[in-house]
Amino acid sequence: ETGVTQSPTHLIKTRGQQVTLRCSSQSGHNTVSWYQQALGQGPQFIFQYYREEENGRGNFPPRFSGLQFPNYSSELNVNALELDDSALYLCASSTVLAKKQFFGPGTRLTVL
Amino acid sequence: AQTVTQSQPEMSVQEAETVTLSCTYDTSESDYYLFWYKQPPSRQMILVIRQEAYKQQNATENRFSVNFQKAAKSFSLKISDSQLGDAAMYFCAYSYTNYGGSQGNLIFGKGTKLSVKP
Repeated sequence: ETGVTQSPTHLIKTRGQQVTLRCSSQSGHNTVSWYQQALGQGPQFIFQYYREEENGRGNFPPRFSGLQFPNYSSELNVNALELDDSALYLCASSTVLAKKQFFGPGTRLTVL
Repeated sequence: AQTVTQSQPEMSVQEAETVTLSCTYDTSESDYYLFWYKQPPSRQMILVIRQEAYKQQNATENRFSVNFQKAAKSFSLKISDSQLGDAAMYFCAYSYTNYGGSQGNLIFGKGTKLSVKP
């Protein structure tokens, strides 16, 4: 059974650019959630995808968007990057009724 | 809105001793779940223990146990026989249950940094 994987591990962008982060869910998991963790803070919920549909969204602007694919992998897209978008982005996968979320290692995004 | 509060930014424990990390939460829901996650410097968030609100019995996982006080909305984590590998950030988290039984998103506290002294 493979765990949750994320790519890339690190990346550096400049303000105004666009970025795509990727997540492969754990085998058999059909739900993917994305979280943003600023330095020294707890993770904040961005959105969740279930069966390729957005299934809940946190208090993030529309320039944060996502996709889920038929194999349940997922992408997080951020447009018009701002300095405050610098953070660790965590992906978590689960099954609908499992009541547990398993996290990937995260992607560290730095916006200059 | 649901909130999770961890009032101890940092804690320290001697190796082999016991330490308790505190967490309080606020919710008007009756069906929910509480979690403790560990985040070592490697950044990977690891599930330590889970408590279902409808269960009165406190959850236990090896050296980790919780004290769940539903009326007081308190959920503390006790680590027994602390080991050097327990050093990490510990996050308390809450999630509700969606209509249909699926898990809602996790709401995290700000974390407690645990140091273990040899």
